[in-house]
This record gives sequence, C-alpha cells and structure tokens, in this order.
Amino acid sequence: EVRLLESGGGLVRPGGSLRLSCAASAFTFSTSAMHWVRQAPGKGLEWVSMISGSSGSFYYADSVQGRFTISRDNAKSTLYLQMNSLRAEDTAVYYCAKDRDVLSAFDIWGQGTMVTVSS
Amino acid sequence: DIQMTQSPSSLSASVGDRVTITCQASQGIINYLNWYQQKPGKAPKLLIFDASNLQTGVPSRFSGSGSGTDFTFTISSLQPEDIATYYCQQYDTLPLTFGGGTKVEI
Repeated sequence: EVRLLESGGGLVRPGGSLRLSCAASAFTFSTSAMHWVRQAPGKGLEWVSMISGSSGSFYYADSVQGRFTISRDNAKSTLYLQMNSLRAEDTAVYYCAKDRDVLSAFDIWGQGTMVTVSS
Repeated sequence: DIQMTQSPSSLSASVGDRVTITCQASQGIINYLNWYQQKPGKAPKLLIFDASNLQTGVPSRFSGSGSGTDFTFTISSLQPEDIATYYCQQYDTLPLTFGGGTKVEI
C-alpha cells in the first residue's frame, strides 16, 4: 500500500526549532517530487515547500522562506522539513504529500503531524 | 500570488441533490486546477486533477470543468459519505495556492 507517515511534531517555544520527517513506502520515492502542506487549526490548506526527486530544485512559500529547509534522503525514502525560528503562526498540522508529476496535484498524503508553537 | 476564490463557503443539501461549487482564479491558469476532499480529522484526498480528470478510484458522481479563470466542481447526487470540506488548488504558478474551502453539510 502506498503510504506516507509523518513524525516529529510537538510543542515548541517561539524561536525554537523542530525537524519533521515523512517516511514513504510502496512507490518510487527517488523520482517523486514531494511537498509539505500545512493547516492551521480550523483554517484552510497552505502550501509550504516542494523538493524535486533529485533534490535539484526546491521552493518555499514566502511565509517560511529563510526559516524552513526541505530535504530528502532517497536511500531512506524519507522527506524532511527543518523548521527554525518558529512563530506562533506556524502552529498547524503539517502534511507531507507526493506530487502526481512535477508541480501538479498532490495525489498521496500522509496523516499529518501537529506542530504547536507556544510559550 | 494567484488568489483562488471559492464559493459558497458552506452549503447544506439533501441526499440525492446536485451540488455545485465554483472556484475563480485571480488570473488565467489554463486547466492547472485540482479539487480535494477533506473529511474532519483526516488528510485531504485528491478527487479531480487538471480541472476535469477523475482520480483513480473516485466515484463518477464527482466531476470538474472549466478553464482559464472559472472552474466548477459538481457532485451529481450527494451521498452521506460526501460530507466534507472541498478545496480547489492551482498549480500554474508558484506559490501553489488553495481556495478557502467549501463545507458541504446535509
């Protein structure tokens, strides 16, 4: 079964850091573009970042540019999101998602991991 | 950024009703438009890609149409399991952006 499983969420103080992981299984991870999408409590969906299969290309939303870093380890079929200088407005469920092609539709989603930034 | 405006923000319908949701882009996006369903506490699920193509395994009562700036998502006969929030999403231009969502209730 094609699956994405996020981990690493939790409670962190403003200004702190957290690294999210997303373990992929049952598809060719190394050739798949991958994304992080977040959803603040009671709010809509917000695209955060994307990385190409080869890690040669990556993009960020302006709201996280310079604070978040997306990366991947194709040998481990795992996607990462390093989040630094966290703010209260980063509080959200973070989903990893597989791209159907390259910058197209998110056809596979993980179950999400909650990140709470609070003092 | 391309703004995606969905309407209505919520609707109430009966089982068997035809339900229509619209999504308007702030600039032309050809057919680079997807639709997702999100049930409470769950991850979103891709229903329609490239404006009108049904994702594998999605029931045929779901459909999409449109191009340019105006798009429509339709449930031909609403079922109890369709209670969810629906989102459109454009991929014409970075950043990828979503509509605000339409909550469908019975």
